[in-house]
Amino acid sequence: DGGITQSPKYLFRKEGQNVTLSCEQNLNHDAMYWYRQDPGQGLRLIYYSQIVNDFQKGDIAEGYSVSREKKESFPLTVTSAQKNPTAFYLCASSMYSYSNQPQHFGDGTRLSIL
Amino acid sequence: AQKVTQAQTEISVVEKEDVTLDCVYETRDTTYYLFWYKQPPSGELVFLIRRNSFDEQNEISGRYSWNFQKSTSSFNFTITASQVVDSAVYFCALSGDGGSNYKLTFGKGTLLTVNP
Repeated sequence: DGGITQSPKYLFRKEGQNVTLSCEQNLNHDAMYWYRQDPGQGLRLIYYSQIVNDFQKGDIAEGYSVSREKKESFPLTVTSAQKNPTAFYLCASSMYSYSNQPQHFGDGTRLSIL
Repeated sequence: AQKVTQAQTEISVVEKEDVTLDCVYETRDTTYYLFWYKQPPSGELVFLIRRNSFDEQNEISGRYSWNFQKSTSSFNFTITASQVVDSAVYFCALSGDGGSNYKLTFGKGTLLTVNP
């Protein structure tokens, strides 16, 4: 079945540590996105990528980094510079990055601080 | 700037009741798109519907219906004869046609609990 796979489902980070969240899609979508969700809040955009080897900052990119070396993959690294990383992280993709395209989401990764 | 307001933080109903989730939006774009997503306890957001700003016809899909009114900048979602499986957080979202046409602006969501 086509879809978006995020791993791991749960992740714990120690102080000063970088951690990487995986996102893989087999929908042949060009565009991919990372969102952060905090309790009682909507989703906020961290980074997005319209095409391989290109990505743009979203609204809350500080303390995060991404890469897009393959069309299928868009990993997110939460660096030690992100002082409040505890949140639910959702990866999404769309056929292309135009406003009329619905985004399809993965199951999410819940990140906590040890 | 775009904004989506879902004034209802939580709604609790008894099974078989009808329930309407409100969504009010703000945008300066003349062409824009509105979406509803469902987030069950598993966490994944499930796409429900997309509406463009030129199509104000209401839509019905089974027990779900959507009422889009440009005059009041609202895009409300009604579930008829609610069921326990409808329990979830529902998000309304907006994307525009300007320079940030990639961007989905989400409301804060409404937690719907359907009790048996």
